[in-house]
Amino acid sequence: DTGVSQDPRHKITKRGQNVTFRCDPISEHNRLYWYRQTLGQGPEFLTYFQNEAQLEKSRLLSDRFSAERPKGSFSTLEIQRTEQGDSAMYLCASSPASLRSYNEQFFGPGTRLTVL
Amino acid sequence: SQQGEEDPQALSIQEGENATMNCSYKTSINNLQWYRQNSGRGLVHLILIRSNEREKHSGRLRVTLDTSKKSSSLLITASRAADTASYFCATRGGMIYNQGGKLIFGQGTELSVKP
Repeated sequence: DTGVSQDPRHKITKRGQNVTFRCDPISEHNRLYWYRQTLGQGPEFLTYFQNEAQLEKSRLLSDRFSAERPKGSFSTLEIQRTEQGDSAMYLCASSPASLRSYNEQFFGPGTRLTVL
Repeated sequence: SQQGEEDPQALSIQEGENATMNCSYKTSINNLQWYRQNSGRGLVHLILIRSNEREKHSGRLRVTLDTSKKSSSLLITASRAADTASYFCATRGGMIYNQGGKLIFGQGTELSVKP
């Protein structure tokens, strides 16, 4: 399967714990995006990378959230001191950075986080 | 915050009927895209329409865009039970404001197609 993969698919944690999610984009894609989706809502942008550089962060990304893409390939999203309000589906997407196919993003299956 | 508003929030039809979903947005855009999301799964890109286009077709899908009204519609013709999913419009702002190509999604329309 050459699509975007995310791990784990589900994560249940207790409030106050730290969690880390991983995203593996399509191999030739140099743009990688993180979105968060709560029940009944559309995805909301969190942050994006071009290669290893984190170029934009949403105000939704509080200081408890940190994302990395150390070698410009896979990315991790860490949430420290989780809160119940962090419960959501975390979606990763990738796209090639060329003007012609600049716009379509390919999404992974998501990681569903439940904070008890 | 979400940019788009979608209407209706939920739609239930019989197989074979057409389904129309509408999306409104707030700021100027470079393009508008529609995505489908099946229950518990990731989003799949369906179709993209650029700001200088008014209508686009792809198979059983027809998308229209009215930039003067800041609205778009997605028509699915001859619906099938397999079309049951949530449908989201997503906008990408102009280059000046959105170099990275992030998408701003609407709240979605939940479509149920009964066999």
